[in-house]
Parts: sequence; structure tokens; C-alpha cells
Amino acid sequence: GEDVEQSLFLSVREGDSSVINCTYTDSSSTYLYWYKQEPGAGLQLLTYIFSNMDMKQDQRLTVLLNKKDKHLSLRIADTQTGDSAIYFCAESGFNQGGKLIFGQGTELSVKP
Amino acid sequence: DSGVTQTPKHLITATGQRVTLRCSPRSGDLSVYWYQQSLDQGLQFLIQYYNGEERAKGNILERFSAQQFPDLHSELNLSSLELGDSALYFCASSAGQGPPDTQYFGPGTRLTVL
Repeated sequence: GEDVEQSLFLSVREGDSSVINCTYTDSSSTYLYWYKQEPGAGLQLLTYIFSNMDMKQDQRLTVLLNKKDKHLSLRIADTQTGDSAIYFCAESGFNQGGKLIFGQGTELSVKP
Repeated sequence: DSGVTQTPKHLITATGQRVTLRCSPRSGDLSVYWYQQSLDQGLQFLIQYYNGEERAKGNILERFSAQQFPDLHSELNLSSLELGDSALYFCASSAGQGPPDTQYFGPGTRLTVL
């Protein structure tokens, strides 16, 4: 079945790079997403990557996709305290409408 | 502000009761999605409506039902509530039926079942 796995916690120092990892099982995944959730708020889409791409860069964010290993990562360069939040990886499968399967979320803590 | 509104923000009720959660999508969006976020299950997709029709279904319990009205707002009805239904319920909307359309999430309704 469909499953998305993430590590639960990551702690970094301000100014360092953060790398959040995700693995998924559905080989028919079409798009993979990264969402951010701040305390008391809904989810905000950060970026997404089509499954036939290897990499996507968007300002401080870099997404790497290894389709063979079904591994996705999100790198945040020059991490700031404002980046502290929970980051969710999600995938959408082929012909499943807009259904998103989410990982458990990685809580990123940025220390000054 | 995503443009998706959800009411109420908080809801406290008792086991066995029935509640209705309401969602208004962003202007122009035709799809509405419902998700449940709980500590033990994480973030789970419940159901999607597109222009009034059911488009995709997840692990939605039979006690739960949803609909999308002609003005495109949606309601999620939860009945015979159990303690385990306590969760944050998110609505999201998107312009089209599926990827790569961005899903914009509302702030959620926190349901507490006592």
C-alpha cells in the first residue's frame, strides 16, 4: 500500500543547512510535495517536484528526488529561526484525484 | 491567509453526538478536500469533491459524510462521535481535480470529543 515515512525530529543551528528526508513506497507517485505547518496554522505548500525530475531549486529550498530508491529530500539553506516548524512530505498517486498521502512530519528546531 | 475559511475554529462535544464542520474554498477553486490530523494517525486524507461530485475517497469512516454544495462550500458531518474522533480537521481547496494543482489549506477545526 501507500506509505510515506519521515524522521520525526531535526535540530540545527541558525545559518546551517537543514536536510529533511522522506521515503515513499508508491511507485506510481506522480508528484511529491513539501508542506510546512507552523503552530496553530494550516499547511502551507513550500514546493513540489514531478516524479520524472531529479532536482528542483527554489530560492533557499532544494528538493532532490531519487526515484529508484523512492527517496525525497528537502534542503533548506541558511536556516533561520523562522524556519522552525513541522515539515511534511506528501505524494500523489496516478489517477487518484487530488488525494495526498502525508508522512508523519519532521519537527525542525532551529537554535540561535 | 490561504483564502480557505473553516468554521468553527473549535468544537467541544460529547460522545454519541453529531457535528457539522463547514468549509469555504478559495474564490474560483472547484475542488474541496477534507483531512484529519491526529496524534496517533497523523494527517489522513478523507475525501475530495470536485464541482459538487465526489472525486476521491480515503479512509473515511461510515459515520462520516461530506458534501459540496452548488456554491462550492462543503460540509463534513461526523456522527455517533467517539473519543478517538478528537482531532484537527482541515479543509483544503484547489482550482482543478488533482496534481499538480496546489492545495491551499484552511486553519482547521479542532474537534474535542469528551
